[in-house]
Amino acid sequence: KNQVEQSPQSLIILEGKNCTLQCNYTVSPFSNLRWYKQDTGRGPVSLTIMTFSENTKSNGRYTATLDADTKQSSLHITASQLSDSASYICVVSARTGGFKTIFGAGTRLFVKA
Amino acid sequence: EAQVTQNPRYLITVTGKKLTVTCSQNMNHEYMSWYRQDPGLGLRQIYYSMNVEVTDKGDVPEGYKVSRKEKRNFPLILESPSPNQTSLYFCASSSAETGGYTEAFFGQGTRLTVV
Repeated sequence: KNQVEQSPQSLIILEGKNCTLQCNYTVSPFSNLRWYKQDTGRGPVSLTIMTFSENTKSNGRYTATLDADTKQSSLHITASQLSDSASYICVVSARTGGFKTIFGAGTRLFVKA
Repeated sequence: EAQVTQNPRYLITVTGKKLTVTCSQNMNHEYMSWYRQDPGLGLRQIYYSMNVEVTDKGDVPEGYKVSRKEKRNFPLILESPSPNQTSLYFCASSSAETGGYTEAFFGQGTRLTVV
C-alpha cells in the first residue's frame, strides 16, 4: 500500500534554532518527492522537489534530502524564524498507469520567540 | 502573476442542493487536481486531470464530479452535498515540465459547510 509517514507530528523550537523533519514512504514506483509549507487555512506552497537521482535540494534556509534506497527524506530548517511556524507536508508521487500523489499528514512546527 | 484561483472561498449550503466550486489557472498547466483536507488528516485527492477531457478518480471520489473542457478550468461539482462533505477544498495545478505531474501551485482553498 502506498503510504507517506511523517515525524514528528508536531514540534516546538526556539527562534534561531535548527530542526529536521522526517518523511518515510512506501510509494512505488517512485516518481518524485516534494516538500510543502502550509500556513493555517491557506494553500500549500512548494519548497523543494526531488526526483530519483537527486539526493539534496536547497531553497534558502530549507534543505531537503532524499535517500531513495531507504525511502526516506528529511527537511532541515536552519536558523528558524517565527514565520516558519506552519505545517510541513511531504508528498510523494508514483507513476501507476495514471499518476498518483500521496500526501503525508504533515508536521506542525511552532517557532517561539 | 501565476496563480490558481478558486471560488468561492467560503460556502455554506444545505444538504442536497447542487453546487459547483470553480478552479482556474493561468499558467497553461496540463495537470490539475482537487483535494479535501480534514482536521487531523492529510490532503486527500478527490479527482485529477492530466489534460483536457482526461480525468480520473483519486482516493476519495464518491459524491463528487469534475470536468475538464478547457485547459485552464477544472470545476468540482457536488450533485447532492451531504454533511460529511464539509471540508476545506484545494485545487492545484502543475506543468509536466516541473518534474512530472506533481502540484506546484495550490489555490487558496474553499471552506465548505453542508448543513
